Amino acid sequence: SQKIEQNSEALNIQEGKTATLTCNYTNYSPAYLQWYRQDPGRGPVFLLLIRENEKEKRKERLKVTFDTTLKQSLFHITASQPADSATYLCALKKGSGGGADGLTFGKGTHLIIQP
Amino acid sequence: DADVTQTPRNRITKTGKRIMLECSQTKGHDRMYWYRQDPGLGLQLIYYSFDVKDINKGEISDGYSVSRQAQAKFSLSLESAIPNQTALYFCATSASGQETQYFGPGTRLLVL
Repeated sequence: SQKIEQNSEALNIQEGKTATLTCNYTNYSPAYLQWYRQDPGRGPVFLLLIRENEKEKRKERLKVTFDTTLKQSLFHITASQPADSATYLCALKKGSGGGADGLTFGKGTHLIIQP
Repeated sequence: DADVTQTPRNRITKTGKRIMLECSQTKGHDRMYWYRQDPGLGLQLIYYSFDVKDINKGEISDGYSVSRQAQAKFSLSLESAIPNQTALYFCATSASGQETQYFGPGTRLLVL
């Protein structure tokens, strides 16, 4: 069966350090992968998208990598700040042949940036 | 004003009652989605619609129905609510050809 795995344990990082979150998937050939941020009681907010033919994408302090051989994406926040504390979700869109559906989300990793 | 709105934001109902959750959007997107989120389980797709005449089941559609009244409106109904439908429900939209989804603020539903 298809699975998306994110570290279910909270990740505690000291302010100023780089936070790295992992998203692993099995039995997918995704056309692209997205990362969303979710704050408590609120809807997810889109952050970054990376396509299957891209290795790396950057946006300000955020960087995403995508290794289709390892079936893994890494999400980095550099110079982390307490305001970065949230749950981060990865989401996959299936590849060709499976286009007529929504995204499949991982369960998310709760990131805590400590001052 | 928010681009994607959901009403009500909170709802308490009893087992067996019929309830409707509503979603409206001003983004002009043709695609709309309903998800539920349970603690520890992540977001699960209930139904999605690519235009007014298109309705598709997601991975957990049993016990739910939807109506796409207009391009901007997509409603989710629980015909006979049961306690395990207690969850946080999100509506989302996207434009055809664009992969990003935009989520509403959510409806917290408690079925007693």
